[in-house]
Amino acid sequence: SAVISQKPSRDICQRGTSLTIQCQVDSQVTMMFWYRQQPGQSLTLIATANQGSEATYESGFVIDKFPISRPNLTFSTLTVSNMSPEDSSIYLCSVTKTLDYTFGSGTRLTVV
Amino acid sequence: QKEVEQDPGPLSVPEGAIVSLNCTYSNSAFQYFMWYRQYSRKGPELLMYTYSSGNKEDGRFTAQVDKSSKYISLFIRDSQPSDSATYLCAMKGSNDYKLSFGAGTTVTVRA
Repeated sequence: SAVISQKPSRDICQRGTSLTIQCQVDSQVTMMFWYRQQPGQSLTLIATANQGSEATYESGFVIDKFPISRPNLTFSTLTVSNMSPEDSSIYLCSVTKTLDYTFGSGTRLTVV
Repeated sequence: QKEVEQDPGPLSVPEGAIVSLNCTYSNSAFQYFMWYRQYSRKGPELLMYTYSSGNKEDGRFTAQVDKSSKYISLFIRDSQPSDSATYLCAMKGSNDYKLSFGAGTTVTVRA
C-alpha cells in the first residue's frame, strides 16, 4: 500500500480566510482523491485530482471554493477558500492502486 | 434515499463477543465491496474487500456479500478492545473508480 503524508493534521481558521492542505505520497499514483468527512456522515468525494489537467469536481463542489493542484504523480494540494463555519470538517486525501484505496490521516479543520 | 445505508450505532459489546455490522445499497452495478476501519483522529484503513457475492475470511474477520438482497455484512469474532473503532462500508462498480461509503458504525468493545 502507498503511504500518505497529509499536512496539517488540524487547524483553526478565521472565517473568510483560506487553508491549503498538502498530500504527499511515497510512490507514483495515477488516481488521487479529496474527501470531506463530517461528523456522523459518510465520506463525500470532493474531487479527483488529475496530474497535468484540471481536477474533476463532484456535484456540489466547485473549483473556486476548493481549488486543487496536482503538479506531479506524488503530490496534491486542496485549498478551502473563503471559509465559513460550515466548512468545519475533516478533509482526507486518498490514492488508489488497483483496489487498494489508501487514505491519509486527515486534516481536522475548525472555522471560527 | 442514500446510495449506501449503514446504521451509525453506536454499538457496544463485551470483550469476546461477535460484532455484526451491515450495509444495504441500492446500486445494482456495485461489484466491489470493502470494509474500512477508522480509529479516532486517523484515516480509514482497508480491512477487507470482496468481489461480487460470497464470503471472505481473514483471521477474526468475515465479510459476506449478498448481491440478490443488496446486503453486505462484516463479522468480528472474539472481539477485542483494540477493535473499538468506526467501521465503514464502501463499494464501487467494475468500471468505476469512485467509492460510495456508508456513514460508518461506531463500535466499542468493553474489557
